[in-house]
Amino acid sequence: NAGVTQTPKFQVLKTGQSMTLQCAQDMNHEYMSWYRQDPGMGLRLIHYSVGAGITDQGEVPNGYNVSRSTTEDFPLRLLSAAPSQTSVYFCASSYVLVGFAGELFFGEGSRLTVL
Amino acid sequence: KNEVEQSPQNLTAQEGEFITINCSYSVGISALHWLQQHPGGGIVSLFMLSSGKKKHGRLIATINIQEKHSSLHITASHPRDSAVYICAVRSAVANSKLTFGKGITLSVRP
Repeated sequence: NAGVTQTPKFQVLKTGQSMTLQCAQDMNHEYMSWYRQDPGMGLRLIHYSVGAGITDQGEVPNGYNVSRSTTEDFPLRLLSAAPSQTSVYFCASSYVLVGFAGELFFGEGSRLTVL
Repeated sequence: KNEVEQSPQNLTAQEGEFITINCSYSVGISALHWLQQHPGGGIVSLFMLSSGKKKHGRLIATINIQEKHSSLHITASHPRDSAVYICAVRSAVANSKLTFGKGITLSVRP
């Protein structure tokens, strides 16, 4: 099993550029989510999804866009990159049903620098 | 007040010591996760709890749903246990949204 595959691992952008961080899982998980990790802040939820066609905002959604057209993929789009979006990004997935939650699986992380 | 609070903030221990990391939360949850992140590394799941106690090797996790509190214990600590330990709770409502604590940095000295 590949688990959660996150790409790219490193990216440098200029202010105003757009890009997409890819996240794919092969475990048929309904729940997928994106986080950013900044020093002293812990992991903060950007967007999440509980199934294809369903997405919702987390704590820090501004400047990011997501879609969930398939169960496997949950890309995160930066529409117009800003230096404040310099961070390490993690994608995570899990099995989830009403009243039941499964183990969390994380991608390896993507380090993004916006100049 | 954060929905998930971890204590102590940072922790240094001597090899062999018994270590306890705490997590308190303020919302109704369906599950609590303990995660580990080594420096510069990825995040791995240690435990998922909805009640009681779980044990895996030298690690023990407990949860008290009534008190909204969980603890992660490390017995016979080793330098390779040095990492950030993160508590995360899954909401019982709100589409199973996850909320994370800020993490505890543990350093175990040989």
